[in-house]
This record gives sequence, structure tokens and C-alpha cells, in this order.
Amino acid sequence: DAKTTQPPSMDCAEGRAANLPCNHSTISGNEYVYWYRQIHSQGPQYIIHGLKNNETNEMASLIITEDRKSSTLILPHATLRDTAVYYCIVRADSGGGADGLTFGKGTHLIIQP
Amino acid sequence: DVKVTQSSRYLVKRTGEKVFLECVQDMDHENMFWYRQDPGLGLRLIYFSYDVKMKEKGDIPEGYSVSREKKERFSLILESASTNQTSMYLCASSLYGLAGKGGSYTQYFGPGTRLTVL
Repeated sequence: DAKTTQPPSMDCAEGRAANLPCNHSTISGNEYVYWYRQIHSQGPQYIIHGLKNNETNEMASLIITEDRKSSTLILPHATLRDTAVYYCIVRADSGGGADGLTFGKGTHLIIQP
Repeated sequence: DVKVTQSSRYLVKRTGEKVFLECVQDMDHENMFWYRQDPGLGLRLIYFSYDVKMKEKGDIPEGYSVSREKKERFSLILESASTNQTSMYLCASSLYGLAGKGGSYTQYFGPGTRLTVL
């Protein structure tokens, strides 16, 4: 599985867009980019995933560069409740549909009032 | 919305006790997982199940067993709790059949059970 690199921490003002970068320069063609977050003392929360096209859902947008070596998770209007550790994961489908997740250190996003 | 619930948010047990952690999901997901999360060690997979009565060992199954008698319920059992099993335990579920669409790693987690073994 491709390795990911994320900044350890970021600040963002409440109401502004939070842009969280992730580098995955060794990604291979069949690997997806996933984003999760974990608010303190809670279970991880799935946010979004993509292969090569940009994706958007009710929580966030995922922008993947054309060469797929990096991506950015965008929270369009950050709120205090978005303060969490955000994890970028790159994995190929397991085929059988059941496989374990592993998280790196992630980015601790702090939303400032 | 997918909902995964766990039987307790906090649990305190004594060394040697048998401990049951229960997880229920309401989205008819085939796959269910048990993880533990420790500071500095990240998320580690204990067991997973892809169908009723089916189970597979994860990375750290020693000292644990699981039971899946119904599709929506997945139980983690600590046969004889020890202090090194003090941890945050997380249950997750996912939908089988999303392979090829990135679904294998689209997992939905419960709130976690913080277990302390004294």
C-alpha cells in the first residue's frame, strides 16, 4: 500500500475553508484515496473516498491531482465541531470486501473561533 | 445514516474477569470488525467477520475471541481480562460487494468502549 504524508497539525478560522493536504507519491493505479477523521474520544468517521476524479459529498470535497500523487480534502465552511485528527489512507480494494484499516499519524486540525 | 452502536462507552473490570463487548449495526452490512486503539500504536485489527458465524483473525487476536450469531451483531470476548487489554475498543461495519468501487475500506465505526482492567 502506498505511504501517505500529512502535516502533523493545521489551524483554520471558523467559517473559512479548511484545506488538508496529503502526499501519496507512490500510489498505484488501482489504489483509492480515503479520508477519515476522529474527534477526541470518539470513533473514527468516514468522510469521503476517490480514485482519480474529484468527489464531493455533504461533508467535504476531495481533490486529487491529475498524476494522483497528492490530494486535498476541503471542508468548505469549517466549524468548531470539525476540530479533529484527519487521516488520509491509500488502499487498493481487497476484492472480498473485508479488510482492516490502518491509520498513520494524521493531521490535527484545530478550528479557531 | 449508518448506525453502529456499542454496548458501553466506559467499562471497568478486574483482572481475570470474562468481558463481553457487543456491537450492533442497523444497515444490513455483511462485514464487521473489532479494533483496539492505543496512543502511539494507532488502530489495530483484532478480528473481523464477513458473514454470520464466519470470523477471521486480524493482527492481534491473542487473548480475544468473537461471536457472530446474527448479521447485525458482533461480539468481542475477553476470556480472562488482563491489564494490557486496557484500551479503547472500536467496532466497525462495511458493505460487502463494493469491491471495485472503493468500498472495501468504507467503514462505519461505533463510538468506542473505553475498557479499563484493574
